[in-house]
Order: sequence, then structure tokens, then C-alpha cells
Amino acid sequence: DAMVIQNPRYQVTQFGKPVTLSCSQTLNHNVMYWYQQKSSQAPKLLFHYYDKDFNNEADTPDNFQSRRPNTSFCFLDIRSPGLGDAAMYLCATSSGEFQETQYFGPGTRLLVL
Amino acid sequence: DQQVKQNSPSLSVQEGRISILNCDYTNSMFDYFLWYKKYPAEGPTFLISISSIKDKNEDGRFTVFLNKSAKHLSLHIVPSQPGDSAVYFCAASSGYSGSARQLTFGSGTQLTVLP
Repeated sequence: DAMVIQNPRYQVTQFGKPVTLSCSQTLNHNVMYWYQQKSSQAPKLLFHYYDKDFNNEADTPDNFQSRRPNTSFCFLDIRSPGLGDAAMYLCATSSGEFQETQYFGPGTRLLVL
Repeated sequence: DQQVKQNSPSLSVQEGRISILNCDYTNSMFDYFLWYKKYPAEGPTFLISISSIKDKNEDGRFTVFLNKSAKHLSLHIVPSQPGDSAVYFCAASSGYSGSARQLTFGSGTQLTVLP
């Protein structure tokens, strides 16, 4: 019955070692988002896809990339993780219709050693 | 420049009483507001929303009030239960159909319901 699925739930990587986080959805939503959340802070939008159209936030570092090979899947690639990239990464989806709700996955907790 | 503010980082309430969580915003273009609940190590769970054309929306124990002139919204939980203990995020968005709406989140309020 899961709607937005994120794998893995916990990811440990080494400083500078590329890592990929995965998100899939069963809602057939047009829009998929990636957020970064550090403890006690609001989620920060990194980028989103509307269908195949990629939209990057102006302050998202180049170190963060994303791929959306089809409607159901979206990936977050961190090319060279730094210690400051340790955070919870949240995937969300929405239909793209007027005043629609975003639905979040459970998140992936990234630890950088 | 925080466009959505939750000024109370924490709130403690006795079980059975009312919990009132507050949120203020500055962007008059926001037309849709949401509340999310977040448990530790989990993603935010959608709780309730309200469109700017309304001033109240109710869903079971949860009611959201919107005061557009004051740019203020609040979430009321009655009666509060220990399972309601979580971080509550207020979020706001603006935009139009066919575009991806972006949510602007507040910094959250930790609600603790005491048995």
C-alpha cells in the first residue's frame, strides 16, 4: 500500500565517494521532488521534475544531480559527498494539478564518514 | 528571509486538552496551506490543508483556521492524544495548474502530549 518509496532508508558513504538515492511512486504523479532536511530545520527543496522537465533550485550545489528515467522512478546522485551533505533526503510527489498536496516518502538518512 | 514562520519550537499539552499550533506567513501570493506531521526518522505525513478561499477546514480531531488579513494560520487538535507527539510543519504554496507548486516550510513545532 506504500505510495512513495525510498531506498535505502539508511545510507553510509565515505567522503568523496559517489552515492545514489532512489525514489519510486505508485501514484502516477507528474511531479517528483527532492528535499534535503537537516536536523531541526525545514525541508529544503533541491530540485523537481515535472514529467521530464528538470527544474533546479538556484542554490542547489552542482554536486547534486538527479535523473528521472520514467514516471515512477527518480534518483538523487551526490557526486562527491562532503561531511556537510549528511542529512535526511526526502522524496515527494504531486499530481501537478491546482492546489494539490505533496506526498512524502519515508526519507533516506545519509551519513558521510 | 523566512516566508513561513513557526515561532514556537516546542509545545507541551496535557492529554485530552486542546493543542494549538501557530504559523505566520509574509507572502500574500500563497493560496494553499498545509500541515504535515513528522515522527523521528520518517518523512512528513500530510495532515490537513486549506485553500485561501476558506477560513476553516476540519477533519476529525484536526481543524485548520486561516486568517488572511493577519497572514496567520493555526492547527487545533482536540482532544490531544499521546500519539500526536511529533514535529508539526506548516507549509504554504502558490502557483497555477500545470506548474509544479513549490512548498515553503516553516521550521516546525515539536508537540509533546503528556499522559
